[in-house]
Amino acid sequence: QPQMQESGPGLVKPSETLSLTCSASGGSIALSPYYWGWIRQPPGKGMQWIGSISYRGSTFYNPALKSQITISVDKSKIQFSLKLNAVTAADTAVYFCVRSYGAYGGVWFDSWGQGTLVTVSS
Amino acid sequence: QSALTQPPSASGSPGQSVTISCTGTTIDVGGHIYVSWYQQHPGKAPKLILYEVTKRPSGVPDRFSGSKSGNTASLTVSGLQAEDEADYFCCSYAGNNNLKVFGGGTKLTVL
Repeated sequence: QPQMQESGPGLVKPSETLSLTCSASGGSIALSPYYWGWIRQPPGKGMQWIGSISYRGSTFYNPALKSQITISVDKSKIQFSLKLNAVTAADTAVYFCVRSYGAYGGVWFDSWGQGTLVTVSS
Repeated sequence: QSALTQPPSASGSPGQSVTISCTGTTIDVGGHIYVSWYQQHPGKAPKLILYEVTKRPSGVPDRFSGSKSGNTASLTVSGLQAEDEADYFCCSYAGNNNLKVFGGGTKLTVL
């Protein structure tokens, strides 16, 4: 299994864009049939699935966040990214990058990053 | 509030068995086999311990087992060991729009 590692700013101002990148060491992410995605956990709350992307670029988004998010894979197939627009305090959370497997954009998550705390505050 | 309901805490003595429930609806847990469970130690990345209700990934001890009845999935940890003390949370595919939903997590204490 790959080692997953999130990177990005820990503090974002309200109304701005949250941008995170995930590196999957140990090989290219151009592996079928895996999906690569993001999950977040607000403080004191349960996990929330954000979305995923296949190595070919097919995306699967949480309907509640769809208008706000973009997940992309870079051309080198080494990293994938999350952009979350127009953030508010409700977007404060620990963000995990994950590898998932199965139908529907991946139905279980077999590799996780350590998570990175992103705080939305002015 | 999480989509799936788990008890906030569970406990057992070493060697005992503990079962953690995960209750959803016919749209998620009750609607198919795509229920998974994760173990998370403090400050660590979550680890997949069960998928498709009952299947264990390579390397996960057979002390961890899963089942499902109606809209409730269950994780049973048998022969409790100190290292099993962690947070456990469930996840289910929720149909429409490829949505996946989670439980709020259960803190397992080994007494």
